[in-house]
Amino acid sequence: EVQLVESGGGLVKPGGSLRLSCAVSGFTFSSYSMNWVRQAPGKGLEWVSIISSGSSYTYYADSVKGRFTISRDNAKNSLYLEMNSLRAEDTAVYYCARVLEDYMDVWGKGTTVTVSS
Amino acid sequence: SYELTQPPSVSVSPGQTARITCSGEALPKKYAYWYQQKSGQAPVLVIYEDSKRPSGIPERFSGSRSGTMATLTISGAQVEDEADYYCYSTDSSGNHRVFGGGTKLTVL
Repeated sequence: EVQLVESGGGLVKPGGSLRLSCAVSGFTFSSYSMNWVRQAPGKGLEWVSIISSGSSYTYYADSVKGRFTISRDNAKNSLYLEMNSLRAEDTAVYYCARVLEDYMDVWGKGTTVTVSS
Repeated sequence: SYELTQPPSVSVSPGQTARITCSGEALPKKYAYWYQQKSGQAPVLVIYEDSKRPSGIPERFSGSRSGTMATLTISGAQVEDEADYYCYSTDSSGNHRVFGGGTKLTVL
């Protein structure tokens, strides 16, 4: 069974940092690009970042560029999102999702990040 | 930055046809995808590459694209189709992904 399980969310103060992880199983992780997508409370979905299967390219939404870093460890079947200089507007549920062609076919259940003093 | 525009809400009675539109400048050259999200759940893909339906998605869900607009059609909408629907695509460079603002479908 294909599974994506996010972890690492929590409460952090503005300006702080957090590292999210996504553990995957049930498929050959190293063959797929991966996305992070977030959803603020009561708001719509927002694409955050993508990393290619071999980490040769990464792209970010303008809202997080320069503050967030996506990475992966194919040996550990894990995806990461390093988040720095966090702001209140970064408060959201963060999902990792597998990329097939140009879209996401499998999603995790999400981890919640709250940025508040 | 690139944007996809959807109506905030659509309302139909059970059995009627619901149409949700998504407009974007790059859509003539980029596929549109559609996700359904029910309250408290992760999104589910209902249409990919403009008009293809993943296995397990009911036949009443269909998609189309013409020019700068993509449309999700639910023929004979059912109460269980009540959800938020998001279109998704890429900008003209193909590097940045974007979701539409979402459309709340009410079936009652």
